[in-house]
Amino acid sequence: AQTVTQSQPEMSVQEAETVTLSCTYDTSENNYYLFWYKQPPSRQMILVIRQEAYKQQNATENRFSVNFQKAAKSFSLKISDSQLGDTAMYFCAFMSTNTGNQFYFGTGTSLTVIP
Amino acid sequence: DTGVSQDPRHKITKRGQNVTFRCDPISEHNRLYWYRQTLGQGPEFLTYFQNEAQLEKSRLLSDRFSAERPKGSFSTLEIQRTEQGDSAMYLCASSLGTGRSTNEKLFFGSGTQLSVL
Repeated sequence: AQTVTQSQPEMSVQEAETVTLSCTYDTSENNYYLFWYKQPPSRQMILVIRQEAYKQQNATENRFSVNFQKAAKSFSLKISDSQLGDTAMYFCAFMSTNTGNQFYFGTGTSLTVIP
Repeated sequence: DTGVSQDPRHKITKRGQNVTFRCDPISEHNRLYWYRQTLGQGPEFLTYFQNEAQLEKSRLLSDRFSAERPKGSFSTLEIQRTEQGDSAMYLCASSLGTGRSTNEKLFFGSGTQLSVL
């Protein structure tokens, strides 16, 4: 079974600063995909960033970037220049075609951006 | 493209009653998922459809739960004889599901918040 672990239940960051959210996963698969989703108080889950395991280059989307360490099975999210609108729950997720394209989610990290 | 829509947004019911939720995925998406989320937890997989075929069901999906996607478009999730433990947010998501996982991304609806009294 695939497991996704987010060991930081809560984090906070000052506005305009940088914060890193951690995620580790366990799998025997070689080809898979990793995601970070954001869930603001409105509860709508929004895709933040996506990483293919076969790509060595870390994905980047504007202020969001990942540090993907395949051997360590680590997938952290870095948010630069934090904004108040970044306050939300952040979920790390794993997907593999060998597990029926199911998405497995971590328990989430609650991020608060402090003005 | 209006995204994934779910109806209703909130549902309050008494224990023992039946409830049904509806999900309309993004129109060209072949794959549709149902997840359950309780407060402070990540989404837990319940079941998913590839077009009209229900391909997998989680052990979380007891006999009281049934899902359908009759024409491969919208889906319904029914819970019979609701229990207080069923109280949760029920999330629907869809993806292209073309078989080429390079483009696979989940797009979520806003969820249906169920409260069983």
